[in-house]
Amino acid sequence: ETGVTQTPRHLVMGMTNKKSLKCEQHLGHNAMYWYKQSAKKPLELMFVYNFKEQTENNSVPSRFSPECPNSSHLFLHLHTLQPEDSALYLCASSQGWADTQYFGPGTRLTVL
Amino acid sequence: KNEVEQSPQNLTAQEGEFITINCSYSVGISALHWLQQHPGGGIVSLFMLSSGKKKHGRLIATINIQEKHSSLHITASHPRDSAVYICAVSIQGAQKLVFGQGTRLTINP
Repeated sequence: ETGVTQTPRHLVMGMTNKKSLKCEQHLGHNAMYWYKQSAKKPLELMFVYNFKEQTENNSVPSRFSPECPNSSHLFLHLHTLQPEDSALYLCASSQGWADTQYFGPGTRLTVL
Repeated sequence: KNEVEQSPQNLTAQEGEFITINCSYSVGISALHWLQQHPGGGIVSLFMLSSGKKKHGRLIATINIQEKHSSLHITASHPRDSAVYICAVSIQGAQKLVFGQGTRLTINP
């Protein structure tokens, strides 16, 4: 148990669907992150939130929309995705942005 | 060329062998991280280091800042060490990690 939970663990959606991924951390951390892991590619940072403010957007398409209502919760809203967006989406948190990151189990997303 | 390169990409060894995984980077960093990812996706942070050497159980991580190189060593390897090991660097002055492509380690009994 890492203290970072993600739901759902698996998601299958069509290209016209709208869905949301949820991340929750129980560690009292101030920074939260979304990462994408595609097959045979390194982990890619998508978004960083520090004290609920977005501090990094790594050129992510607008069909991915993050939301951080408080320092414990992070959402990734998905709409009109493409099949190439199928990947493992990982959430992480850290005390400060330069500190050790703790990862959730990930959501495996399949876009049909 | 990626900013973080790992070698080897795949490594198979017998139980008990001494394992070394290498990581080279080409950017200024504030810290280097070693992570472990098991089948199913879960990632665990093993080490964060900015100089010298750290040890935890059978795992040892070293970094040479001048040469921009780090190694992860596993002593007395065990089949439960089988996983993907990922090197990542915190970019100096930026709030982001850049990841290597990972090394898939398989330890046979």
